[in-house]
Amino acid sequence: AQKVTQAQTEISVVEKEDVTLDCVYETRDTTYYLFWYKQPPSGELVFLIRRNSFDEQNEISGRYSWNFQKSTSSFNFTITASQVVDSAVYFCALSDYSGYALNFGKGTSLLVTP
Amino acid sequence: DTEVTQTPKHLVMGMTNKKSLKCEQHMGHRAMYWYKQKAKKPPELMFVYSYEKLSINESVPSRFSPECPNSSLLNLHLHALQPEDSALYLCASSPREGVDQPQHFGDGTRLSIL
Repeated sequence: AQKVTQAQTEISVVEKEDVTLDCVYETRDTTYYLFWYKQPPSGELVFLIRRNSFDEQNEISGRYSWNFQKSTSSFNFTITASQVVDSAVYFCALSDYSGYALNFGKGTSLLVTP
Repeated sequence: DTEVTQTPKHLVMGMTNKKSLKCEQHMGHRAMYWYKQKAKKPPELMFVYSYEKLSINESVPSRFSPECPNSSLLNLHLHALQPEDSALYLCASSPREGVDQPQHFGDGTRLSIL
């Protein structure tokens, strides 16, 4: 069963628009970790954030913000005032104690046009 | 610049060739990973090394042979590959192996099998 669902396959926005990338996860563990990674065309996956299951506080880092809601099993990512450099594939991932691997969602491809 | 360095960045090889991919990190991390990523798909875990010992092998065919000579270096030896092995191969490292550990990725090696 898929543990992480990123329902949005592709999103296209115009520069300066706000955009939210959705992530819904599934786990039976009470302790687990959620991650977001950015993969630009160059290929490298860039670690953006880690959140543990006991910390539901939302986080803001510059233009990036994350909304973690255990009630809906969601960990959404918002980019405010998007820029062309934000164009990339964004992966949400879950790590729990039922296995040892990072469970990646299928990714959301974000295109920001001028 | 990524702190995980992978070489070469691109590799084209025939099915009878033997080649190696190299990954290096100097962050003092004691867990290192190999992933395979096909186009428009999330990364798939291949191997995990923890303290220079093979910890996880995700049922990878024997034509892929990992090696961890020291805590900073991870190799992936390739032999008799198939066209379907063409992909982006990503190396990652984390301070230690564990579900809470954020993994730091390199730029990857784009491998093409003729």
